[in-house]
Amino acid sequence: EAGVVQSPRYKIIEKKQPVAFWCNPISGHNTLYWYRQNLGQGPELLIRYENEEAVDDSQLPKDRFSAERLKGVDSTLKIQPAELGDSAVYLCASSLDPVFLTFGAGSRLTVL
Amino acid sequence: QKEVEQNSGPLSVPEGAIASLNCTYSDRGSQSFFWYRQYSGKSPELIMFIYSNGDKEDGRFTAQLNKASQYVSLLIRDSQPSDSATYLCAVIFGNEKLTFGTGTRLTIIP
Repeated sequence: EAGVVQSPRYKIIEKKQPVAFWCNPISGHNTLYWYRQNLGQGPELLIRYENEEAVDDSQLPKDRFSAERLKGVDSTLKIQPAELGDSAVYLCASSLDPVFLTFGAGSRLTVL
Repeated sequence: QKEVEQNSGPLSVPEGAIASLNCTYSDRGSQSFFWYRQYSGKSPELIMFIYSNGDKEDGRFTAQLNKASQYVSLLIRDSQPSDSATYLCAVIFGNEKLTFGTGTRLTIIP
């Protein structure tokens, strides 16, 4: 069984540029999460989807971050424009229930 | 603000000894508790979960939960160099939001 697939693995951009991350969850997992992990910190939830619906986006900085999950499968997280403080690893996870999450390998963003 | 607190370490333990990792949480109503292991440059991997007060054992790992003290711990017996990683404590608060601590970096010394 394929795990959670994320791309790109690494992205280096200059500040004020846009960036997008893509996630394909485990087949059949209705719940999808985007977490951000800063160096030396634990993951912080940005947004949680139940199928196509964003059920928790309270921590998503909506002025520059957006996310979508069309057809309740793949998801895209976008940052526009990126700031220096956005440098982090962006982790996608999926689950059958809100308890047992499986994480993807992550997308490491460096903003110069 | 619901919080999960961990000592960031680093915690150094000799090979073969018991590693003890601790975590406290702020919401007395929390019901579900997890330990994730994260190797450097890798994503978190679930290794233990516990719902009830007391101990839960799985191989060399034992999770301990004390809800009255709002305290959860992870013991690793017969520590191996491959156990060197960051261990993240995570708690599901009432809104089903999985919240992570900052992690404890564990180093097993051969």
